[in-house]
Amino acid sequence: DGGITQSPKYLFRKEGQNVTLSCEQNLNHDAMYWYRQDPGQGLRLIYYSQIVNDFQKGDIAEGYSVSREKKESFPLTVTSAQKNPTAFYLCASSNFRGRDYEQYFGPGTRLTVT
Amino acid sequence: KQEVTQIPAALSVPEGENLVLNCSFTDSAIYNLQWFRQDPGKGLTSLLLIQSSQREQTSGRLNASLDKSSGRSTLYIAASQPGDSATYLCAVNSTLTFGKGTMLLVSP
Repeated sequence: DGGITQSPKYLFRKEGQNVTLSCEQNLNHDAMYWYRQDPGQGLRLIYYSQIVNDFQKGDIAEGYSVSREKKESFPLTVTSAQKNPTAFYLCASSNFRGRDYEQYFGPGTRLTVT
Repeated sequence: KQEVTQIPAALSVPEGENLVLNCSFTDSAIYNLQWFRQDPGKGLTSLLLIQSSQREQTSGRLNASLDKSSGRSTLYIAASQPGDSATYLCAVNSTLTFGKGTMLLVSP
């Protein structure tokens, strides 16, 4: 089945530790995205990548880093510099060709930092 | 900067009612608008994608309309069912901007 997988579903870390969230897609999509969702805040864009080895900052990139070494993978690292990392993280992908870029989402990873 | 607003923030209706969810955006220069459904603790499921050249899209009991000139989109749900209970979000894909969603509860 084609789709987007995120692992793990739940992640717990101590304050001061870096943590990497996984996102893999087998839809052959060019573009991939990371969003953060907080209660009452909606989705906010962290980073996005339109092509391998290239990515751009979104609205709230501070304290996060990404890489795009393979078309199907777009891992997100939450660093110790992120002041409030506890949130629900969602990965998405889209076929960026032309303007018809419908977004498809993974199941999300809930990160709790104590 | 594009801003997307969804009204109402929450809605509770009895089963069988027809209902309308609203989405407004400030910059009418959009390529498409997408409606999603999100169940608690889950990812987003795409419902409908409307291209800027279209005015309506339909899928089963769902109908979404788009009026670029007024900066509005509506999602119409016919004959609502308890299984429709979820949060509904709209997104302007060209700027990757989401509304905060409308939480819908359909009671039996």
